[in-house]
Amino acid sequence: EVQLLESGGGLVQPGGSLRLSCAASGLTFSSYAMSWVRQAPGKGLEWVSGIIGSGGSTDYADSVKGRFTISRDNSKSTLYLQMNSLRAEDTALYYCAKGGLSGSFYMDVWGKGTTVTVSS
Amino acid sequence: QTVVTQEPSFSVSPGGTVTLTCGLSSGSVSPSYYPSWYQQTPGQAPRTLIHSTNTRSSGVPDRFSGSILGNKAALTITGAQADDESDYYCVLYLNSGIWVFGGGTKLTVL
Repeated sequence: EVQLLESGGGLVQPGGSLRLSCAASGLTFSSYAMSWVRQAPGKGLEWVSGIIGSGGSTDYADSVKGRFTISRDNSKSTLYLQMNSLRAEDTALYYCAKGGLSGSFYMDVWGKGTTVTVSS
Repeated sequence: QTVVTQEPSFSVSPGGTVTLTCGLSSGSVSPSYYPSWYQQTPGQAPRTLIHSTNTRSSGVPDRFSGSILGNKAALTITGAQADDESDYYCVLYLNSGIWVFGGGTKLTVL
């Protein structure tokens, strides 16, 4: 069974930084694309960033481009999201989601999320 | 900027059939957008129902089906049950590598 476990959330001041992690198990991690998706309190889902299995290509939503960096360590089966210059509007529950094999486009397994609060 | 549209709310009677849709602010949804559908209840992570237009995720009952109807992606729930009362989100994959979620549909079963 594929499992994803996010960590690293917390309270940070505006302008601060945070690094989220997502530990994966039950899969050949390097074979799958991965994404980060967030949900602000009481709001809908927002895709944040994605990365292919090799780590060689990344994509970002306009709302975080230039501030967030997605990466992965396939030897540790772990996905990361480095978040810099955080704003109040980045406050959300951050989920990691497993994508498909190369050439497949979907997100099918989700973690339970980690909460990020940006506030002074 | 691409906007993905969903009905804000919908209601269905127990045992009834409902079709939720997922459209684009400009243009038509086709299988090349790889539409997916997710169910979310309060306090829970999203659950994947359908991906790649009509592929049911593991463990999802066949009461849930996906399709393209006209110029939109669609999620049809047949034989609605009380525990189908949830928020439903669609997401579309843009060729640029970006995913865009719809605003979600709040489904009431009554």
